[in-house]
Amino acid sequence: EADIYQTPRYLVIGTGKKITLECSQTMGHDKMYWYQQDPGMELHLIHYSYGVNSTEKGDLSSESTVSRIRTEHFPLTLESARPSHTSQYLCASSEWEGTNTGELFFGEGSRLTVL
Amino acid sequence: QKEVEQDPGPLSVPEGAIVSLNCTYSNSAFQYFMWYRQYSRKGPELLMYTYSSGNKEDGRFTAQVDKSSKYISLFIRDSQPSDSATYLCAMSVYNFNKFYFGSGTKLNVKP
Repeated sequence: EADIYQTPRYLVIGTGKKITLECSQTMGHDKMYWYQQDPGMELHLIHYSYGVNSTEKGDLSSESTVSRIRTEHFPLTLESARPSHTSQYLCASSEWEGTNTGELFFGEGSRLTVL
Repeated sequence: QKEVEQDPGPLSVPEGAIVSLNCTYSNSAFQYFMWYRQYSRKGPELLMYTYSSGNKEDGRFTAQVDKSSKYISLFIRDSQPSDSATYLCAMSVYNFNKFYFGSGTKLNVKP
């Protein structure tokens, strides 16, 4: 079982609120990712990180920001939530080297509803 | 045009049936092909991984890649109710930073 944890699992908030979705992994993986998953749609990469102090935007434009101050921690922040941000957010990690699969280890997701 | 196309289903089969799940793709540079299984309210987990063309078998699961047709398949033999989940195909070039996912096929195996 993957050792990657996301909190909160479910969050319902009002428009304009600031929220932070937490993601932590205990596997020592250098690479971490945030994906957005909507029903019937493919996973879209919104942010990724190669390691500490490295963050990059993914394919899907997102108003969220991320930080990577510690290897194990990759939080995602929305400064002012809107109903269009309603979605499931999945955090994942993978090894940088030593594997030929590039397997992604996913957390259980954070389901965000913005009213 | 989407990079990866996957029939969303849902697919409903009786227990013991053989299940075939498929994805097509447009980028001939893809070399790594994966199937993830996602149970309800959980994150995806890697089920099968294949490099380039060919077949790979793991217990009741067989992954098949046909690069000439840009088509991949996952076969499940003797399907069980515990196989009920959404199956996501994913693929990448040699750069593991970028995975392209299908939208997932929801499978329901009835006892």
